[in-house]
Amino acid sequence: DVKVTQSSRYLVKRTGEKVFLECVQDMDHENMFWYRQDPGLGLRLIYFSYDVKMKEKGDIPEGYSVSREKKERFSLILESASTNQTSMYLCASSSPRGRVRNEQFFGPGTRLTVL
Amino acid sequence: DQQVKQNSPSLSVQEGRISILNCDYTNSMFDYFLWYKKYPAEGPTFLISISSIKDKNEDGRFTVFLNKSAKHLSLHIVPSQPGDSAVYFCAASDFGNEKLTFGTGTRLTIIP
Repeated sequence: DVKVTQSSRYLVKRTGEKVFLECVQDMDHENMFWYRQDPGLGLRLIYFSYDVKMKEKGDIPEGYSVSREKKERFSLILESASTNQTSMYLCASSSPRGRVRNEQFFGPGTRLTVL
Repeated sequence: DQQVKQNSPSLSVQEGRISILNCDYTNSMFDYFLWYKKYPAEGPTFLISISSIKDKNEDGRFTVFLNKSAKHLSLHIVPSQPGDSAVYFCAASDFGNEKLTFGTGTRLTIIP
């Protein structure tokens, strides 16, 4: 069974803190993605990676960075957390060899609250 | 600019009836479309997809229709069941692109 796990289900941080969100997939997928989900805005892509050490900006990269040192792990970093980064963060992975084109497999999400 | 739009934020349907969820897109380069279902406190899961070379794809109770000239797709669920209550997202991609562009989602509530 395919699996994407995220390090925390709930996280509360203070403004200005550096925040790390970790994502691990066990499917040997090449592609990994970070989204945020906000009411009325759907899923918006923050960053994605199509290979180890490779990354590309998504639609809303400001205030975020990412790291992919190993194929199975993709980290999202909030350099200095702000209240407008309070959101649900979703990690996903996919493979160009997948059964369904562009099918992404999602983790359960991390609900981040920045106070 | 929202390239994939779901204009109905919510929809309530009686159990046993048909649920129809709609999605519009603006980018004519999109050639593959997916529907995802999301329960609270879980990640989205893939439901059904359709290529632009088709106008219909069926999988059990779920059927997706694509009208390319109108840049519109719809998801039909027949018959609707209480377990179908969830948020549904449509997503689109263009050829050679590993990214998906998601819509804003529609919350479907099935009334017993």
